[in-house]
Amino acid sequence: GIQVEQSPPDLILQEGANSTLRCNFSDSVNNLQWFHQNPWGQLINLFYIPSGTKQNGRLSATTVATERYSLLYISSSQTTDSGVYFCAVVRSGGSNYKLTFGKGTLLTVNP
Amino acid sequence: DSGVTQTPKHLITATGQRVTLRCSPRSGDLSVYWYQQSLDQGLQFLIQYYNGEERAKGNILERFSAQQFPDLHSELNLSSLELGDSALYFCASSAAKRDEKLFFGSGTQLSVL
Repeated sequence: GIQVEQSPPDLILQEGANSTLRCNFSDSVNNLQWFHQNPWGQLINLFYIPSGTKQNGRLSATTVATERYSLLYISSSQTTDSGVYFCAVVRSGGSNYKLTFGKGTLLTVNP
Repeated sequence: DSGVTQTPKHLITATGQRVTLRCSPRSGDLSVYWYQQSLDQGLQFLIQYYNGEERAKGNILERFSAQQFPDLHSELNLSSLELGDSALYFCASSAAKRDEKLFFGSGTQLSVL
């Protein structure tokens, strides 16, 4: 199946800093989503971004499908940004909708 | 609030027992997905239903089964439970069969003692 690798695995920031999280995938995809799992375990959908660039407040994401990677940018980080960020993809041409998740990036934002 | 409702939030049971997890999708969503999250396996896709029919199967054990009812709610049945089944079980929903944004419920934390 498709492989999804996220980096870095862990990231510690001071409040106000910027960060870039990366997601590499091993095959063509027609669906890519970024999720934030907060410390209470809730999975929140941040972006549906199989290609191109999107922005939502302090967060933005870019997917370069031809080069098989996606980036999640967090600017002016806040303590509430802490948690695990997951990238998840669906392989193109597959017969079913199976969202494969990476192992995530654990982000800690300190005050 | 994602609009996806899962019950119960927590479940503690013993090995060998059977439990049922329930999920109500967002209003209007026809697809329901079940995922299992554990420390060693991460987030694993179990099964997908679309409008009452099984659509895709992932790493779901034979001891586990699911169904989607006419009102579109879904249940995940876990039987002959083992210690290793302890995990966070998520339900998610989307409007269509594929290529859609997924919305996750808050999960059911299952502890098998």
